[in-house]
Amino acid sequence: EVQLVESGGGLAKPGGSLRLSCAGSEYPFSHYSMSWVRQAPGKGLEWVASISASTVYIFYADSVKGRFTISRDNAENSLFLQMNDLRAEDTAVYYCARDLAFDFGDPLGYWGQGTLVTVSS
Amino acid sequence: DIEMTQSPSSLSASVGDRVTITCRASQTISKYLNWYQQRPGKAPELLIYASSTLQNGVPSRFTGSGSGTDFTLIINNLQPEDFATYSCQQSYRTPWTFGQGTKVEIK
Repeated sequence: EVQLVESGGGLAKPGGSLRLSCAGSEYPFSHYSMSWVRQAPGKGLEWVASISASTVYIFYADSVKGRFTISRDNAENSLFLQMNDLRAEDTAVYYCARDLAFDFGDPLGYWGQGTLVTVSS
Repeated sequence: DIEMTQSPSSLSASVGDRVTITCRASQTISKYLNWYQQRPGKAPELLIYASSTLQNGVPSRFTGSGSGTDFTLIINNLQPEDFATYSCQQSYRTPWTFGQGTKVEIK
């Protein structure tokens, strides 16, 4: 069974940084595109960033472009989200998700349990 | 960006009811429309992809349809475990965008 486990969330001050990690297991991690999706308290889902299996394709939402960086280490079966210049509106549960199949842009077939990021002074 | 609009935002229904949720895209997205179910306090789960294909393990009482800009999710014979929030998402063009969600509550 595919497993995705996020870590790294917590409290950060405005302007601060956090690095989220997502460990994938029970599947060939290097074969699949990965994404980060967030959900602010009481709000809907918001796509944040995606990275293709070989890192050829990387896309960001405008709301995080220039502040967040998505990356992956296929040797370590890990996905990362470096978040800099954090703002109050970045407060959310952050989910990592794996594409259902091999093509970039496939539906998000598997999700982690999420990690909470709170940005507050 | 492609805007996704769901209706209604919430609804109340009883066990055994048939429920219909609609999702409209601001421009054509062919059949690149996915539905997710999210139970309270849990991560979203893929329910239907490519407008009408059920993800493995999803009961047949869930049906998806539509193409272009208008899509529908129907839940027949609503069960207690179906009370959740349902969100549509387009995977036609980045940025991938979600609808605001439809909360299905117990009447």
